[in-house]
Amino acid sequence: DAGVIQSPRHEVTEMGQEVTLRCKPISGHDYLFWYRQTMMRGLELLIYFNNNVPIDDSGMPEDRFSAKMPNASFSTLKIQPSEPRDSAVYFCASLAGASDTQYFGPGTRLTVL
Amino acid sequence: QKEVEQNSGPLSVPEGAIASLNCTYSDRGSQSFFWYRQYSGKSPELIMSIYSNGDKEDGRFTAQLNKASQYVSLLIRDSQPSDSATYLCAVWPGGTSYGKLTFGQGTILTVHP
Repeated sequence: DAGVIQSPRHEVTEMGQEVTLRCKPISGHDYLFWYRQTMMRGLELLIYFNNNVPIDDSGMPEDRFSAKMPNASFSTLKIQPSEPRDSAVYFCASLAGASDTQYFGPGTRLTVL
Repeated sequence: QKEVEQNSGPLSVPEGAIASLNCTYSDRGSQSFFWYRQYSGKSPELIMSIYSNGDKEDGRFTAQLNKASQYVSLLIRDSQPSDSATYLCAVWPGGTSYGKLTFGQGTILTVHP
């Protein structure tokens, strides 16, 4: 299996622009998680889905952030408009419901200038 | 008070020594506990999980859990330079929030030859 796939790996954008991060979970996994990691705040859960349905979005920082999972093999995290404080590494992870192991993707390093 | 706290680092140990990493959590009802390893510039990967009080051993790694003291630790025996990484403690509170992990800030471990 290819593991969790994220794109792009690096994104540099200017403040005010829309940013879309993409994730393909491991086939057969029914949970998908979006995390953000910064030096100051560590690894934070933003939102997670079960069977494509958002279960908990309490970690989404504000309305500028939105996430969708239109099918079992694809999810997006969108930031509109982006701000410099959104600069971070964004990870996607997936989990099979019968397991306790979350598999993380390689991450997207976002820089907002 | 942070929900999951890890001992402040960085931690530096000589090759062959025992590295001890500690973590405390605030939610007394927490059910499952995990240790993730994250190499610099890489994504977290699960190395140990523990659910019951006591010790759990896997090769050179031993996880210890004391629910009464709300304390979980990771011991790495015969430390190797390849163990140099950030170690993240994660806690699942249980209940309906399946898979929703809260991570500590991480402890940076350096094993020097």
